[in-house]
Amino acid sequence: EVQLVESGGGLVQPGASLKLSCVASGFTFSDYWMSWVRQTPGKTMEWIGDIKYDGSYTNYAPSLKNRFTISRDNAKSTLYLQMSNVRSEDTATYYCTRSPHWGQGVMVTVSS
Amino acid sequence: ETVMTQSPTSMSTSIGERVTLNCKASQSVGINVDWYQQTPGQSPKLLIYGASNRHTGVPDRFTGSGFGRDFTLTISNVEAEDLAVYYCLQYGSIPYTFGAGTKLELK
Repeated sequence: EVQLVESGGGLVQPGASLKLSCVASGFTFSDYWMSWVRQTPGKTMEWIGDIKYDGSYTNYAPSLKNRFTISRDNAKSTLYLQMSNVRSEDTATYYCTRSPHWGQGVMVTVSS
Repeated sequence: ETVMTQSPTSMSTSIGERVTLNCKASQSVGINVDWYQQTPGQSPKLLIYGASNRHTGVPDRFTGSGFGRDFTLTISNVEAEDLAVYYCLQYGSIPYTFGAGTKLELK
């Protein structure tokens, strides 16, 4: 059974950095592109970006490219999202995805 | 970026009815559209991929169609478990983009 389990969320101050993790199981992690998607409290869905199976290539939403970095560790079957200089508008639930599978999501709240 | 405009924003229906949800792309995306269903507190679940292909285990009352800019999701014989928010997603061009969702409610 495919499982994607996100962690690392919480309350963070504006301007800070935060790194989310997603541990994958139930499939050969190194064979698949992986993605991050977020959903705001108002339920707007936003694709953040994705990463090639070997980590050699990434795509990002242009509005997030300068602050967010996606990486992976295939030896640990783990996907990461490094968020820097976070803003209140980054408050959302962050999902790790490998279509058609989604994690349960992790909440990030940006507030002073 | 490709903007996905979903309509209506919300829809009231009765059990057993047939409903059609729409998604219009600001530019052609071919058949690169998925439909997701999300119920409160849950992650989105894939219903339709490639515009018209039903994902494994999805009841055949869900039908997707469309090509290019116009896409529809039809639910025949709505059941209570279908009351949810439905999102379309285009992956024809980066950045991938979602519609704002259609909330299906009980009349």
